[in-house]
Amino acid sequence: QVHLVESGGGVVQPGRSLRLSCAASGFTFSGHAMHWVRQAPDKRLEWVAVISYDGSNEYYADSVKGRFTISRDNSKNTLYLQLNSLRPEDTAVYFCASGFGGGGVRSWFDPWGQGTLVTVSS
Amino acid sequence: DIQMTQSPSSVSASVGDRVTITCRASQDINSWLAWYQQKPGKAPKLLIYAASSFQSGVPSRFSGSGSGTDFTLTISSLQPEDFATYFCQQAKSFPLTFGPGTKVDI
Repeated sequence: QVHLVESGGGVVQPGRSLRLSCAASGFTFSGHAMHWVRQAPDKRLEWVAVISYDGSNEYYADSVKGRFTISRDNSKNTLYLQLNSLRPEDTAVYFCASGFGGGGVRSWFDPWGQGTLVTVSS
Repeated sequence: DIQMTQSPSSVSASVGDRVTITCRASQDINSWLAWYQQKPGKAPKLLIYAASSFQSGVPSRFSGSGSGTDFTLTISSLQPEDFATYFCQQAKSFPLTFGPGTKVDI
């Protein structure tokens, strides 16, 4: 059974950093592009970043470009998101999701993890 | 960026009703569209991709149609487990974007 489990969320002050992890099991992690998607308190979904199956390509939403970094370790079946210079508007539940179908890194999302909450507040 | 809009923002319906949700893209996205269902406290679940293809395990009462800029998700006979929020998402170009959601409640 496919499982994605996020961890690393918490409460952090503005300007500080956090690293999220997503542990994958039950599928060939190294064969899939992987995404981070976040959901703000108003429930809007925002795609954050994607990394290709081999880590050679990354794309980011403009709202996080230069502050967040996506990475992966295929030997550990784990996806990461480094969040730097955090702002209150980064407060959200962060989901990892496997790329499904589509065109490589441009894809739909399935399955999803259960999410981890990041709260940026002083 | 491709902007996605949905209508209505919410709909009240009863078990057995036919429900149609519309999603519109700000530019032509061919069939690069997916629909997701989200229940409170849970992650979204992929229902439909490529505008009209069913994800495995999705009941046949769900159907998707459209291409270009206008798309619809139809639930032919609403079941109790279908009360949820539905989102559309385009995968035509970066940044990948979602619609604001349509809440289906009683």
